[in-house]
Amino acid sequence: GEDVEQSLFLSVREGDSSVINCTYTDSSSTYLYWYKQEPGAGLQLLTYIFSNMDMKQDQRLTVLLNKKDKHLSLRIADTQTGDSAIYFCARRRDDKIIFGKGTRLHILP
Amino acid sequence: DTAVSQTPKYLVTQMGNDKSIKCEQNLGHDTMYWYKQDSKKFLKIMFSYNNKELIINETVPNRFSPKSPDKAHLNLHINSLELGDSAVYFCASSQETGTEAFFGQGTRLTVV
Repeated sequence: GEDVEQSLFLSVREGDSSVINCTYTDSSSTYLYWYKQEPGAGLQLLTYIFSNMDMKQDQRLTVLLNKKDKHLSLRIADTQTGDSAIYFCARRRDDKIIFGKGTRLHILP
Repeated sequence: DTAVSQTPKYLVTQMGNDKSIKCEQNLGHDTMYWYKQDSKKFLKIMFSYNNKELIINETVPNRFSPKSPDKAHLNLHINSLELGDSAVYFCASSQETGTEAFFGQGTRLTVV
């Protein structure tokens, strides 16, 4: 994930909103993604956004894209214990998808 | 039905052995990938195949040889396994190169 950066840890109280941030370096990205990985499981595509969009909302998930700052965020409303996982930001580069190092979301009771 | 399935789920083997991991997708996608996830959970692409042809090889040692008998299958064969090959290997597929990829459940390879 050399050109996709995200913080490694985030702790949030149950019921609060979680905001996971990501920055990338290549402004030519066409697609940006959020994947979720629960312990011992594979990667689940949560959502993606095209580079010509600023925002995408899907139930409790809101994705914001700031192209000028090359910043992508994922907001999870009303965070639940089942949201505890690693969240990967990813972007399309050429013929491949490049992943960040993942943010471990820990839910506090 | 599982969209992207890989076998085995766990693989424990000794250094120097040769092993294979199989992957099949029933999504009708034309592109398949292998990713490696290390102990710190970092994900790196290894290979990408489009319609059975190799399009990406991310400087992976030639001990790793992917084989795609048809566009629904992409198997990974590893020769002369080393301790550093221990990781979780994920297969994925997508409709066309670079769009969202759907992942298998992973194969945890442990080399002892």
